[in-house]
Amino acid sequence: DQQVKQNSPSLSVQEGRISILNCDYTNSMFDYFLWYKKYPAEGPTFLISISSIKDKNEDGRFTVFLNKSAKHLSLHIVPSQPGDSAVYFCAVSTSGSARQLTFGSGTQLTVLP
Amino acid sequence: DGGITQSPKYLFRKEGQNVTLSCEQNLNHDAMYWYRQDPGQGLRLIYYSQIVNDFQKGDIAEGYSVSREKKESFPLTVTSAQKNPTAFYLCASSTSGGRSTGELFFGEGSRLTVL
Repeated sequence: DQQVKQNSPSLSVQEGRISILNCDYTNSMFDYFLWYKKYPAEGPTFLISISSIKDKNEDGRFTVFLNKSAKHLSLHIVPSQPGDSAVYFCAVSTSGSARQLTFGSGTQLTVLP
Repeated sequence: DGGITQSPKYLFRKEGQNVTLSCEQNLNHDAMYWYRQDPGQGLRLIYYSQIVNDFQKGDIAEGYSVSREKKESFPLTVTSAQKNPTAFYLCASSTSGGRSTGELFFGEGSRLTVL
């Protein structure tokens, strides 16, 4: 049974608009949440993270929102740019431990010029 | 430049052959990991190592083996016992212990195809 779900395999957005990527998790013990971005034939790169003591973290065009009661995590990108086109993975862990990261299946974001 | 280097980038193997994927890092990270990515799936943990000369099985360790003789190196051997080895393999590293933020640094990956 998947502990982390990204229910949208793909998302297309017009350049300049907002991209919203969603992630749901099942275990309330998870307390650290990360987003990674991956281009084809490359390794993922860390994008942004949030701990369970916060409900929002912002870094430039990227904002992550955490709704603990709903066990839901989202990544907002605004404004979206064509270079943002990539696969986005959410990952969750307990106690911020990298060895306990569990990844979602990813969402392919395509930003149309 | 600091980073993680995986080689080879592409590898073809005949059924029944073992193959070893290389992973080297110069980030001075204690912890290293091997993940496997299949289409439409997330990254799944094969093995990880928190310290030299020690490693632990991840979620899908069957058919794989690793060694950690040096801090910088964490090679993965895909053995003939692995039933479905065709995949994209990713090596990663991180700080560990109290300094860890959970953030992983990934290599560029190795694509293994079994013919």
